Amino acid sequence: IAGITQAPTSQILAAGRRMTLRCTQDMRHNAMYWYRQDLGLGLRLIHYSNTAGTTGKGEVPDGYSVSRANTDDFPLTLASAVPSQTSVYFCASSESGLAGANEQFFGPGTRLTVL
Amino acid sequence: QQQVKQSPQSLIVQKGGISIINCAYENTAFDYFPWYQQFPGKGPALLIAIRPDVSEKKEGRFTISFNKSAKQFSLHIMDSQPGDSATYFCAASMGGSSASKIIFGSGTRLSIRP
Repeated sequence: IAGITQAPTSQILAAGRRMTLRCTQDMRHNAMYWYRQDLGLGLRLIHYSNTAGTTGKGEVPDGYSVSRANTDDFPLTLASAVPSQTSVYFCASSESGLAGANEQFFGPGTRLTVL
Repeated sequence: QQQVKQSPQSLIVQKGGISIINCAYENTAFDYFPWYQQFPGKGPALLIAIRPDVSEKKEGRFTISFNKSAKQFSLHIMDSQPGDSATYFCAASMGGSSASKIIFGSGTRLSIRP
């Protein structure tokens, strides 16, 4: 049982290129999230999905898009990468989208560098 | 705008000492306050959490102290060990709200000297 897997582990990307970060969970959790982690800024929510077929914007959604076609997968796409998107990206999931009631389980992260 | 302020940014404690990390929040509607622990190269993992109806919660060497009137809460690690060296994040959220309402602090990098 893997929990949450993310791919790739790390990536160096030229500015302007399109990139999709993959996230898969095997816990049958309803809610999934994408965060970026930057030194001194903690974890900031990019997008979330409370259930398959629905998505919502978090604190820093600009330049990113997500889709939730099924329960297990929640890819994050950078349509045209910019250097300010250099960060460590974490995918997470929880049993439901009720933020106050459920533990979030995090993946191992993807380190993205945009040059 | 940052709704959860965490301090210090980094902390060095001798083995066996007490590590203390502090957080303050602004939104009085928050009613769930978890702490996450993150080891290098790993994702964060839930360590301990508290709701504002109690002033303290203890799990082993880890204790959360909560002061509702001051809108502050803190993590205390007793008898700190080198294995506790990690980054710690406090967070706050509103029960029953959507996931977009979870706010994390900026993190504290804790180093325990042997």
